[in-house]
Amino acid sequence: GENVEQHPSTLSVQEGDSAVIKCTYSDSASNYFPWYKQELGKRPQLIIDIRSNVGEKKDQRIAVTLNKTAKHFSLHITETQPEDSAVYFCAASIGSNSGYALNFGKGTSLLVTP
Amino acid sequence: KAGVTQTPRYLIKTRGQQVTLSCSPISGHRSVSWYQQTPGQGLQFLFEYFSETQRNKGNFPGRFSGRQFSNSRSEMNVSTLELGDSALYLCASSLAGGTEQYFGPGTRLTVT
Repeated sequence: GENVEQHPSTLSVQEGDSAVIKCTYSDSASNYFPWYKQELGKRPQLIIDIRSNVGEKKDQRIAVTLNKTAKHFSLHITETQPEDSAVYFCAASIGSNSGYALNFGKGTSLLVTP
Repeated sequence: KAGVTQTPRYLIKTRGQQVTLSCSPISGHRSVSWYQQTPGQGLQFLFEYFSETQRNKGNFPGRFSGRQFSNSRSEMNVSTLELGDSALYLCASSLAGGTEQYFGPGTRLTVT
């Protein structure tokens, strides 16, 4: 099945700096790649996603890039703020009419210090 | 629009017992997926239901089962509970599968 690797497991940045989290996937049939942010004690929240027919997507301070050839995708957060501190999860799935399942990376704990 | 809701939020059970968890999806969403979250294994896919049919199943033993009702509400059942089943169980709903999934707050299950 699909295997998603995520790095780094922890990341500490100063407020205002950029943060980059990288993920690789194993199944070339994967076509949907969401990113979730989970604050302590709360549910995972979808923050951005990208499909395999797109190479890059941006939403304000957050951007995601996808390299299908290398089978990796990355989350970029610019101008980080203390409220960006959370655990971030990448996921990959093969979406089809027969259903789909999100395969998650192990998560990256991001700490933004003032 | 109300978000995904799960009941109960917390549950304590004894080894060998069984448990049923409930998930109500966002109105209009027909796909419900279940995930197990633990510190060691992270988020792992259990199964997905769409129009009362299980479409996908993760790598979990048969003690884990689920169902979906005609109103898209879903239940998950774990029989013969083991200590290792202690986890946060999350459900997520989406319009039709293959689209954005939105998570509920989870049910924290503790097995003693």
